[in-house]
Amino acid sequence: DQQVKQNSPSLSVQEGRISILNCDYTNSMFDYFLWYKKYPAEGPTFLISISSIKDKNEDGRFTVFLNKSAKHLSLHIVPSQPGDSAVYFCAASGFGKLTFGTGTRLTIIP
Amino acid sequence: NAGVTQTPKFQVLKTGQSMTLQCAQDMNHNSMYWYRQDPGMGLRLIYYSASEGTTDKGEVPNGYNVSRLNKREFSLRLESAAPSQTSVYFCASSSTGNPQPQHFGDGTRLSIL
Repeated sequence: DQQVKQNSPSLSVQEGRISILNCDYTNSMFDYFLWYKKYPAEGPTFLISISSIKDKNEDGRFTVFLNKSAKHLSLHIVPSQPGDSAVYFCAASGFGKLTFGTGTRLTIIP
Repeated sequence: NAGVTQTPKFQVLKTGQSMTLQCAQDMNHNSMYWYRQDPGMGLRLIYYSASEGTTDKGEVPNGYNVSRLNKREFSLRLESAAPSQTSVYFCASSSTGNPQPQHFGDGTRLSIL
């Protein structure tokens, strides 16, 4: 049973526009959420996180929004750049462990 | 900055062979983790070690054993490899305290024939 879901396997966005990646979760016990970025043949790298007591966290071009009532979070990238092309995983933290979604492959079109 | 180092990067095994995947971190992290990544499945936790001397099962522990050799090193062993264990394996580490982002190695691509 997938507790963290990323329903869009892929997303293509024009360079300079906004990229919005979505993630849904089912377990209300998750207390922290993270986004990771992964390039081919490399390990995931941490991008940005948000506590369950907040609804927004911003870091440069990256903003994560959390809607607890809907059990939904999203990652906004503005403006999108070619180097943002990668697979993005959302992850939820509970009891010291992370549960990952299946990933969304983002392609930025020049 | 080495971070998390995994060896080997690639390996091909025959069914029934055994193998140990090595992981070492130089960030003085207390917690270490082993994941596998399969197409369409995301990363799934195999085993983790919250601190030196402790290990616990994750979501998919069957067929694997782990050893937390010291604070730096956390190894994953396949005693009798099966084709279903063909995957990319990632090791990660993090500081103590909830939550701390996990730092990942670059993975070991393992094929079982």
